[in-house]
Amino acid sequence: EPEVTQTPSHQVTQMGQEVILRCVPISNHLYFYWYRQILGQKVEFLVSFYNNEISEKSEIFDDQFSVERPDGSNFTLKIRSTKLEDSAMYFCASSLGGQGRLFFGEGSRLTVL
Amino acid sequence: GENVEQHPSTLSVQEGDSAVIKCTYSDSASNYFPWYKQELGKRPQLIIDIRSNVGEKKDQRIAVTLNKTAKHFSLHITETQPEDSAVYFCAASVSGAGSYQLTFGKGTKLSVIP
Repeated sequence: EPEVTQTPSHQVTQMGQEVILRCVPISNHLYFYWYRQILGQKVEFLVSFYNNEISEKSEIFDDQFSVERPDGSNFTLKIRSTKLEDSAMYFCASSLGGQGRLFFGEGSRLTVL
Repeated sequence: GENVEQHPSTLSVQEGDSAVIKCTYSDSASNYFPWYKQELGKRPQLIIDIRSNVGEKKDQRIAVTLNKTAKHFSLHITETQPEDSAVYFCAASVSGAGSYQLTFGKGTKLSVIP
């Protein structure tokens, strides 16, 4: 069964550093998402991406965040200058259609020191 | 925006018993309600979903009911097994062209005691 894959599984960084989290969505899916989950809390929407542009973003997704689909397979989340409160599990997800089911990757745990 | 409340936060049941998890939502325009199961350290996995034109859906031991008037939906797991132990999240969405933003509940940690 095809899966969403994410790298790295865990990244530790210093506050103020830039971080790039990478995702390979399911190959025939057209919609891509980033969600995050702070330890012990609920999963929160960050951004959705379709047709090479952001279609929706939450209040969490401020100017420090950006997303890109640099080639036909990867979907990246960049945090320009990390803060302590960015420490969380970041999940990539994809769906076939805009009203389709979301499939999540295994997550990238980001620890900001 | 949408707000999803989920109860209980923890639930312990004996193996073989049923488990029920309840969620309420605030946005009457929400029309898609998935349930995800998350085992420790793993990805959320979709286990069942329901759309607002349906009141109930069943898949083997799992069922979901939706009451649009009351704006609540529930997950029912019958004949629970130890492998059902996980955190379960409900979510709600107003599906629209080009996006599919899910608002999640805070999760229910289900423990099935052998």
